[in-house]
Order: sequence, then structure tokens, then C-alpha cells
Amino acid sequence: DAKTTQPPSMDCAEGRAANLPCNHSTISGNEYVYWYRQIHSQGPQYIIHGLKNNETNEMASLIITEDRKSSTLILPHATLRDTAVYYCIVRLNAGGTSYGKLTFGQGTILTVHP
Amino acid sequence: EAGVTQFPSHSVIEKGQTVTLRCDPISGHDNLYWYRRVMGKEIKFLLHFVKESKQDESGMPNNRFLAERTGGTYSTLKVQPAELEDSGVYFCASSPYNEQFFGPGTRLTVL
Repeated sequence: DAKTTQPPSMDCAEGRAANLPCNHSTISGNEYVYWYRQIHSQGPQYIIHGLKNNETNEMASLIITEDRKSSTLILPHATLRDTAVYYCIVRLNAGGTSYGKLTFGQGTILTVHP
Repeated sequence: EAGVTQFPSHSVIEKGQTVTLRCDPISGHDNLYWYRRVMGKEIKFLLHFVKESKQDESGMPNNRFLAERTGGTYSTLKVQPAELEDSGVYFCASSPYNEQFFGPGTRLTVL
């Protein structure tokens, strides 16, 4: 799986959008970009994933650049409960090729302040 | 719908003892994963079951760790004998396909 690079920490004001960047310059054509987060002492929580098109769900939006070498996770209206470590992970999906493990890096510690 | 559950939530044992961790995946999820985070380190993959078969056990650190998933339902992870460096949080996750749903983890302390 391709390696990802994220800033170690970021701050965001409550109610504002949080934009978390991720570089994955060695991503291959069939690898997806996944985002998970871990709120203090809990298990990691799935947020969103995508291949090349932008994706949106009830939690966040994922913007992937056209060359797929980087992406941005957007939390549109951050709340205090969004304070967590956010992980950008690149992996193959199921269906025809190997899939399975998530390779976690250090992630980005997002602190949302009042 | 019940999420992934893990038991116990905490375990404190002496070096050399045996500990068995249990994971109950979400019903119907064929894929089950074990991960762990040791102090100050990143979350690391241990192994992956598809139903009762081990799909990938490349992350198992050594032969003191034994994982089973009899019948393709719940899974156990046994550490025997436990060493100090085994202390950490052990997470289980289950998945029907691509998204993995994690349990709350078991915090293992080896004294």
C-alpha cells in the first residue's frame, strides 16, 4: 500500500470548516483513499473513502486531486466532538485483488476549540 | 444494530501468564481483523480472517500469539506467555466488504 504524509497537528475553530490535507504521491491506479479517525481512547471510526471522484457523506467531504497524488478531508462545520486523530490511508479494495489490512500512520491531531 | 464488541475491556496480568482476548464482530460480517497499538507507536495490523480462515497473518509478532475464529463467528486472540512488550490496546474490526468497523479495544497491561 502507498505511503501517506499528513501534518502532525491542526487547529480549527468550532463552527468553521476543518480541511485536513494528505499527500499520497505514490498511489497506484487501483488504490483507494480512506479516512478514519480515533477519538480519545475509542476504536478508529470510518469516515469516508474514494477512488478519484470527490465524495460526500453525512460526516465529511473528500476532495481528491486530478492526479490523485493528494486529497483533502473536509469537515464542513467542526464541533468540539470532532477533536480526534485523523488518519489518511491508501489501500486496495476488495474484489479481484488483495484487500484487507489498514496501514495506519501517525495521523493528524485535529483540535477544535471554542 | 450492535457494533463490534470486545472482552475484556481491561486486563492486567503478570509476565509469563496467559491472556485470551475475545472479539464479537457485527453479525454477518465475514471479515474480521485484529490490530494493536503499543505505547507511543502507531496502530499495527496483526491478522485478518475471512470467515474461519486466516487470510493474512503477516502482522502477528511471534508464535506467542494465537488467533482463532472457530465457526466464523467470534474470534479469540491468545497471548502465551505474555511479555512486557505485549502491553497495549488490542482492537478488533469487522467488515462486510471494504469499510472496517472497530470495537472499543482491550487494554492489556503486562506487569
